[in-house]
Amino acid sequence: DQQVKQNSPSLSVQEGRISILNCDYTNSMFDYFLWYKKYPAEGPTFLISISSIKDKNEDGRFTVFLNKSAKHLSLHIVPSQPGDSAVYFCAATSYGQNFVFGPGTRLSVLP
Amino acid sequence: SAVISQKPSRDICQRGTSLTIQCQVDSQVTMMFWYRQQPGQSLTLIATANQGSEATYESGFVIDKFPISRPNLTFSTLTVSNMSPEDSSIYLCSVLPYQTSSDKSSYNEQFFGPGTRLTVL
Repeated sequence: DQQVKQNSPSLSVQEGRISILNCDYTNSMFDYFLWYKKYPAEGPTFLISISSIKDKNEDGRFTVFLNKSAKHLSLHIVPSQPGDSAVYFCAATSYGQNFVFGPGTRLSVLP
Repeated sequence: SAVISQKPSRDICQRGTSLTIQCQVDSQVTMMFWYRQQPGQSLTLIATANQGSEATYESGFVIDKFPISRPNLTFSTLTVSNMSPEDSSIYLCSVLPYQTSSDKSSYNEQFFGPGTRLTVL
């Protein structure tokens, strides 16, 4: 049973527009959520995170929204740039233990 | 943050052989993990590498198949034993650094190594 789901395996967006990547989870014990970006032949790179006590966290072009009642989070990238093209993994953890990663969404930003 | 290196970066191995992957961190870290990413799949945690004691394995992974060493706070190895084609994956180590800040908003951020791409023929 997948505890963290990313139902869109891929997403294409025009440069300058908004990219929205979605993530759903099932375990209500998760208290911290992270987004990682992965380029080919590299390890995942931490992008942004959010604690379960917040509903929004913003860092430059990247904003993560958390809807606890819906067990849903999303990553917004505005404006999208070609260098943002990568695989994005959503991850969740409970008290810093048992990290669970979603299957990833491949984002392609078209020039 | 932490800078993590892995060796080898990739290898092609024969069925039945073993490969040891090294993970080196540029600073002391509290926790080190080993993950596997099979083709088209997400990252799956294999085990937590504990310094000075046996690793803690996740369900579906056993020490005989994936022995792990962690002799100190900056280094760990993962061995993939008696390999089969099903072991073809990217193997990644990750770390949770010591957090000196009282701001716990960052205490859950893992940093990953570049990965080792293993192909078993």
